[in-house]
Amino acid sequence: GENVEQHPSTLSVQEGDSAVIKCTYSDSASNYFPWYKQELGKRPQLIIDIRSNVGEKKDQRIAVTLNKTAKHFSLHITETQPEDSAVYFCAAEGSNTGNQFYFGTGTSLTVIP
Amino acid sequence: KAGVTQTPRYLIKTRGQQVTLSCSPISGHRSVSWYQQTPGQGLQFLFEYFSETQRNKGNFPGRFSGRQFSNSRSEMNVSTLELGDSALYLCASSLNGGGGEQYFGPGTRLTVT
Repeated sequence: GENVEQHPSTLSVQEGDSAVIKCTYSDSASNYFPWYKQELGKRPQLIIDIRSNVGEKKDQRIAVTLNKTAKHFSLHITETQPEDSAVYFCAAEGSNTGNQFYFGTGTSLTVIP
Repeated sequence: KAGVTQTPRYLIKTRGQQVTLSCSPISGHRSVSWYQQTPGQGLQFLFEYFSETQRNKGNFPGRFSGRQFSNSRSEMNVSTLELGDSALYLCASSLNGGGGEQYFGPGTRLTVT
């Protein structure tokens, strides 16, 4: 099955700086890669996703890049704000029919005001 | 549209008991997936149901089972509870599964004593 690794596990940045979280996956057949943000005590929320036919996708201060050859994808947050502090999870959809997602172990991001 | 709902939100059970958790997907969504979230293991896929059929299954023992009803509502059951089953159980719904966006419910916090 798919194996997703995520780094770093914790990340502290100053407000206004950029944050980058990286994930690698093992199944070359995976073709959908969502990112979720989970604030303390709340449900994971989808913040951005990318499909394998796209190399980069942006949504305001958030961007995701995908390198299918190297089997890694990254989340970039620019101009970080204190409300960006949360745990971020990457995921890869397995190659089976239907939804079977494999999640990274999460990155706890702290934005220091 | 109402979001994904889960009941109950909190449960305390004793080892050896069984428990049933419920998930109501977003209206029109036919795919429901279940995840176990623990601090040490992150988000782990349990199973996915689509049109009342289990379509994918993760690597969990047979004590974990589920079902889906004709209105797409889903239940998961854990029999012979163990201390290690203490976790946040999240369900997520998507329109059809297979590369579609998943939306999570608030989770059921299960504590086994």
